[in-house]
Amino acid sequence: DGGITQSPKYLFRKEGQNVTLSCEQNLNHDAMYWYRQDPGQGLRLIYYSQIVNDFQKGDIAEGYSVSREKKESFPLTVTSAQKNPTAFYLCASLAGVEDTQYFGPGTRLTVL
Amino acid sequence: QKEVEQNSGPLSVPEGAIASLNCTYSDRGSQSFFWYRQYSGKSPELIMSIYSNGDKEDGRFTAQLNKASQYVSLLIRDSQPSDSATYLCAFSGGYNKLIFGAGTRLAVHP
Repeated sequence: DGGITQSPKYLFRKEGQNVTLSCEQNLNHDAMYWYRQDPGQGLRLIYYSQIVNDFQKGDIAEGYSVSREKKESFPLTVTSAQKNPTAFYLCASLAGVEDTQYFGPGTRLTVL
Repeated sequence: QKEVEQNSGPLSVPEGAIASLNCTYSDRGSQSFFWYRQYSGKSPELIMSIYSNGDKEDGRFTAQLNKASQYVSLLIRDSQPSDSATYLCAFSGGYNKLIFGAGTRLAVHP
């Protein structure tokens, strides 16, 4: 089965902790993306990577970090510097031509 | 700042009717436009993509693009209760990045 997987589905973080969200794809897509969605709002771009070992900041990168050591994997770390991290986090990958992005199932992060 | 504007709704239509969802965008240079459907608590799923002026039909869905007016719409014919969801409009903002609207909530009542 080809697709994008994200884990965990739900994640709880205490104040001051760093947490890492996993995103894996077996679609052989080069580009991968991380978005954040708050209730009643659209998706906002956190980071994106167009190729292995390279990534760029999106519109709301402060308090987040990423790595892209393998084509299949694009983990996102939510650091303690992110002041309001409670949100729904979505990972996507790009299907080459025509800019079409497909999404994983998402991780819901809650800060306790 | 590149932006997408959508009416947040809810748009309420009776079962079997046509639902019309509208979206305006700010970037005149954008070439690619997308409609995603998002059920509550789930991730967005792609419904339609459109790249040229005019209409594009796929089953009960028709996307309409007017680049001169910077306007894109989605028509859903024979609306079903299962179509009740939030519909997100997006356009390509360069470097394969998508710019999303906040979405329109559609409610189809029996």
